[in-house]
Amino acid sequence: RKEVEQDPGPFNVPEGATVAFNCTYSNSASQSFFWYRQDCRKEPKLLMSVYSSGNEDGRFTAQLNRASQYISLLIRDSKLSDSATYLCVVNMYRDNYGQNFVFGPGTRLSVLP
Amino acid sequence: DTAVSQTPKYLVTQMGNDKSIKCEQNLGHDTMYWYKQDSKKFLKIMFSYNNKELIINETVPNRFSPKSPDKAHLNLHINSLELGDSAVYFCASSQDPTGGSQETQYFGPGTRLLVL
Repeated sequence: RKEVEQDPGPFNVPEGATVAFNCTYSNSASQSFFWYRQDCRKEPKLLMSVYSSGNEDGRFTAQLNRASQYISLLIRDSKLSDSATYLCVVNMYRDNYGQNFVFGPGTRLSVLP
Repeated sequence: DTAVSQTPKYLVTQMGNDKSIKCEQNLGHDTMYWYKQDSKKFLKIMFSYNNKELIINETVPNRFSPKSPDKAHLNLHINSLELGDSAVYFCASSQDPTGGSQETQYFGPGTRLLVL
């Protein structure tokens, strides 16, 4: 089983749609969680951190369920500019080992006019 | 000012050559990383350095040798390049707190390596 798994995608949705991405992780010792966004031929960039209580940033809502080892990202009222690959990232901090960011394979989103 | 920079941006070379990619960060971070993103777009960690000390060394061929002259720089040298080394190589950095917190990574723009 891969350490971080995501919906395989791609997701093709019309403008204005609501879309949800799912992610699961295998290591229960994982400490922090993020969603990154990667545009075509660009570097990954942080979209938002994911907190246990759930958090929202404008049209984006992230949820974490530690018991189920599950993370989600909801995008409301999707825009053309939301088209990108969304990467689920899990940080497993280990003593004497530092941080280990593990990336999921990504889910590609295309928002269509 | 660019936070994490890499050079070169593009690298086209022949099989069997030796090449280096350089990375610099001006964020004052303690930890730097090299990632490889292949044609299937899967981003996989290769190395991690914390304060010039190697922390993570995933299973990569020993033709790949990272070098960190100081904590702001992490270079990647590749010997005897092979066709399968063609990929995008990303450098990244993060602060390394002693406690678990929401620390994030900052990525460089990537180096697109093509081995012919």
